[in-house]
Amino acid sequence: DQQVKQNSPSLSVQEGRISILNCDYTNSMFDYFLWYKKYPAEGPTFLISISSIKDKNEDGRFTVFLNKSAKHLSLHIVPSQPGDSAVYFCAASGGGGSNYKLTFGKGTLLTVNP
Amino acid sequence: ETGVTQSPTHLIKTRGQQVTLRCSSQSGHNTVSWYQQALGQGPQFIFQYYREEENGRGNFPPRFSGLQFPNYSSELNVNALELDDSALYLCASYAGSRPYEQYFGPGTRLTVT
Repeated sequence: DQQVKQNSPSLSVQEGRISILNCDYTNSMFDYFLWYKKYPAEGPTFLISISSIKDKNEDGRFTVFLNKSAKHLSLHIVPSQPGDSAVYFCAASGGGGSNYKLTFGKGTLLTVNP
Repeated sequence: ETGVTQSPTHLIKTRGQQVTLRCSSQSGHNTVSWYQQALGQGPQFIFQYYREEENGRGNFPPRFSGLQFPNYSSELNVNALELDDSALYLCASYAGSRPYEQYFGPGTRLTVT
């Protein structure tokens, strides 16, 4: 049973436009959500996160929105740049305690065309 | 500040063999987690080590085991390799004060034939 789902395997956008990557989750115990970016032959790179008590977090060109009632989050990249082309993973953490394991979606390949 | 490093980069093993993968955590990070990423999938949590003790485990059999050393570096050992163990193995580290910002190494690509 996949607790974190990224239903779009790929997304293609033009440079300068907005990229919107979506993620759904099923476990209401998750209390923190993260986005990671991954280039080929590299490990995932932490991008931005959001606590479940917030509905928006912004960092430069990147904004994450959380809709708890819908169990949905999205990552907005504005404006998109060719260097943003990568696989984006949505991840969630929860349950408290001392174990902050991350549960990942399958990823969305973003291609930003010049 | 040194990032997370992993060795080796690539490895080819035969079914039934044993393998050891290594990870050096980022400076100042005392917790290490290991993840398995199969082709086309997101990373899956294997286990986590804190203060040289395992303190969390995912749905992986006991033939997946690990160690953490006093300098916070870590090893992942897999016994009796199976074809399905072929994957990218990622190590992540974080500081206790910011547990949600986990920093990943480049991974070790394991191929089991």
